[in-house]
Amino acid sequence: ETVMTQSQDTLSASPGERATLSCRASHSVNFDLAWYQQKPGQAPRLLIYGASTRATGIPARFSGSGSGTKFTLTISSLQSEDFAVYFCQQYNNWPLTFGGGTKVEIK
Amino acid sequence: QVHLVESGGNLVKPGGSLRLSCAASGFTFSDFYMSWIRQAPGTGLEWVAYISSRGDTVYYSDSVKGRFTISRDYATNSVYLQMNSLRAEDTAVYHCASGHDSGYFDYWGQGALLTVSS
Repeated sequence: ETVMTQSQDTLSASPGERATLSCRASHSVNFDLAWYQQKPGQAPRLLIYGASTRATGIPARFSGSGSGTKFTLTISSLQSEDFAVYFCQQYNNWPLTFGGGTKVEIK
Repeated sequence: QVHLVESGGNLVKPGGSLRLSCAASGFTFSDFYMSWIRQAPGTGLEWVAYISSRGDTVYYSDSVKGRFTISRDYATNSVYLQMNSLRAEDTAVYHCASGHDSGYFDYWGQGALLTVSS
């Protein structure tokens, strides 16, 4: 099983700041990495797939990078609606696995 | 507009059974694979089960293999999760999710709460 690790449980930042979230895989998943955003009481929303491709309707301030075992989600300028929990997911092999999540909170 | 609406969540005793349903609309159901993904209270996401777009391939997590069965009905655009031999550790919100390419999920439902407790 590929273990996904999001080392930051919580990231505190102010609106307008840049936020950088990390995700590591226990072994290579190539570019088969997705990012999701989840707000309280809501379903997760797909942000990024293929490590760097924005899903339909996702603002350009969200960007993804990385390959292999190390990945990053960057929010270039935090907006109020971006304060949420972010999960990474690998889909290179079975079972599909998720990171534990990073909560982006207002500083 | 895409909708995935789960139903069937309930309080069940350990060892009991329950079937969750997910009604899909707003997309071509037969083109999408479907999964159930659960989230225990205050924790992260755990993938549980997958069924291919044609319904001919299924996968399960080790934690539910042999106890849970995923199925789909193209006439009603629904996906199901039959859960048997339930345990306390199965307590979670169960999300239905769909995807069309490679294993990530384009759409998610709000979830149905299963509580396993005596």
